[in-house]
Amino acid sequence: DVKVTQSSRYLVKRTGEKVFLECVQDMDHENMFWYRQDPGLGLRLIYFSYDVKMKEKGDIPEGYSVSREKKERFSLILESASTNQTSMYLCASSFGRNSPLHFGNGTRLTVT
Amino acid sequence: GIQVEQSPPDLILQEGANSTLRCNFSDSVNNLQWFHQNPWGQLINLFYIPSGTKQNGRLSATTVATERYSLLYISSSQTTDSGVYFCAPNAGNNRKLIWGLGTSLAVNP
Repeated sequence: DVKVTQSSRYLVKRTGEKVFLECVQDMDHENMFWYRQDPGLGLRLIYFSYDVKMKEKGDIPEGYSVSREKKERFSLILESASTNQTSMYLCASSFGRNSPLHFGNGTRLTVT
Repeated sequence: GIQVEQSPPDLILQEGANSTLRCNFSDSVNNLQWFHQNPWGQLINLFYIPSGTKQNGRLSATTVATERYSLLYISSSQTTDSGVYFCAPNAGNNRKLIWGLGTSLAVNP
């Protein structure tokens, strides 16, 4: 079975802090994604990566950056956390261009 | 870009009932996936179904790509089926899925 692991289930940070969300997959997947999910807005893509050191902006990249130094790990960085970044963050991965997407358990981030 | 519409937005069932969830999309797609998000937030991939019909236990899905819709059937529903069901097609030459707003299902004992 595919396993996508997010480092934290719940996280509370202060405004202005730098925040790292980590995601690891164990199936040698090519593609990795970061989404955020908010009530009434559904899932929105922040960034994705299709190879090591490659990244592409999703629909809402502002205020975020990403890093993919190794194939199995994809990090989401909030350079200076703000209260409007309070959300559920979901990491996902897939093997190829047209293949099933698998999600981690999510990180519920609260910025106070 | 592609628009995705899911119906109904909300559904309440008694345990044991059957249901059909619908996903309409506005343009041609390369593939389509169905997901279930449980009440704890975990998203599980149910089906990868660009066309045709697939079955997995009490669940089955049908995609008619030429008519731009997909259906998810849940038979003999159980309380553990509660949660939100999303469809997410993919179009073009990219890796991005387009997400519907989901159908929220509550199965009562």
